Amino acid sequence: GESVGLHLPTLSVQEGDNSIINCAYSNSASDYFIWYKQESGKGPQFIIDIRSNMDKRQGQRVTVLLNKTVKHLSLQIAATQPGDSAVYFCAERAAGNKLTFGGGTRVLVKP
Amino acid sequence: DSGVTQTPKHLITATGQRVTLRCSPRSGDLSVYWYQQSLDQGLQFLIQYYNGEERAKGNILERFSAQQFPDLHSELNLSSLELGDSALYFCASSATATNEKLFFGSGTQLSVL
Repeated sequence: GESVGLHLPTLSVQEGDNSIINCAYSNSASDYFIWYKQESGKGPQFIIDIRSNMDKRQGQRVTVLLNKTVKHLSLQIAATQPGDSAVYFCAERAAGNKLTFGGGTRVLVKP
Repeated sequence: DSGVTQTPKHLITATGQRVTLRCSPRSGDLSVYWYQQSLDQGLQFLIQYYNGEERAKGNILERFSAQQFPDLHSELNLSSLELGDSALYFCASSATATNEKLFFGSGTQLSVL
């Protein structure tokens, strides 16, 4: 079946450094990708999205990169802050317009 | 605050029982989605409604059902509950039917004892 990064690795980052969170997707027909942040006890919070006709999109302190050749998505967070500590999920939209979520990456920001 | 409201926040019940989870979407959003989140399965799509009509189905059990009312709020009904149904249930909403920019509520934590 569809799979998007079904692991929950942990990324430890020093406060102030840049973070890069990676996501592998499996469906080459996916046309839309989205990143969410989930803090403990809360629902997923929309961060940024990107369509498959783009390879880069920037938001406030975040950049999403899409490499369709190797089916890879990444989220870059600039100047990581303690409030960035959370689990980050990528999701892809493939056939049938359904979003499939990956297993998430936990980001721990060290002071 | 995403603008999506879910009630109740916590629900504790026994096996075999039936519960109803409620969701109010963001103002203006026509689509409502239900997701289940458990530690071993991640975020699993259950069902989507758009403007009152069922739009898409995911891994929703036959014991579960949902509906979207004319005022666009939605309810997820879980019946004949089993221990394995214990999970976080999220509702999300979006403006369109095409699964873009979903905004999630804070979830209902269901514990089946």
